[in-house]
Amino acid sequence: ETGVTQSPTHLIKTRGQQVTLRCSSQSGHNTVSWYQQALGQGPQFIFQYYREEENGRGNFPPRFSGLQFPNYSSELNVNALELDDSALYLCASSLDRRYSNQPQHFGDGTRLSIL
Amino acid sequence: AQSVSQHNHHVILSEAASLELGCNYSYGGTVNLFWYVQYPGQHLQLLLKYFSGDPLVKGIKGFEAEFIKSKFSFNLRKPSVQWSDTAEYFCAVTPYSSASKIIFGSGTRLSIRP
Repeated sequence: ETGVTQSPTHLIKTRGQQVTLRCSSQSGHNTVSWYQQALGQGPQFIFQYYREEENGRGNFPPRFSGLQFPNYSSELNVNALELDDSALYLCASSLDRRYSNQPQHFGDGTRLSIL
Repeated sequence: AQSVSQHNHHVILSEAASLELGCNYSYGGTVNLFWYVQYPGQHLQLLLKYFSGDPLVKGIKGFEAEFIKSKFSFNLRKPSVQWSDTAEYFCAVTPYSSASKIIFGSGTRLSIRP
């Protein structure tokens, strides 16, 4: 089975710019979650998408937005980038969000650096 | 607010030593509990999980964890560590009522001396 893939692997942007990160979920998974992992910290939940709709959101401002497509792949968009947005962004997919006992399968992440 | 605390930021052990990594969470309701591991240069992988039933759960590579509800704890253990266990370990909680949200601890870096 194909795992979770994220692109790009690394990205450098400047303050005020906008960025789009992409994620392909594992085959058969309809639920995608996004996390931000700052250096030395655990992943922080940004939001989750289920069947193309946002299903739960963490404490992130509206400039963090997302999309999920009919094939269950997903995008994370961040507008008006700030220095503190520098982090590893992780995508995780799970079989179905209705079942809380489903583990999440993580991609390798996109390392975003803001100059 | 819901949170997960991992007491040790960095643990250094010699091979064959026993391991216990602490994890406590703050949430009053039913939870699902996980330990994830991140080996150097690799993505996060599930080590083990607890949903219900026997509070002692066994995972891959000889790891186990015990859920103690009265202490809100889910400590990870391994009787004898190997050099290949060098990794970052994350405890995580999903409130049963909010299946969308996984709350991670800040992680414990485990270094094993050969």
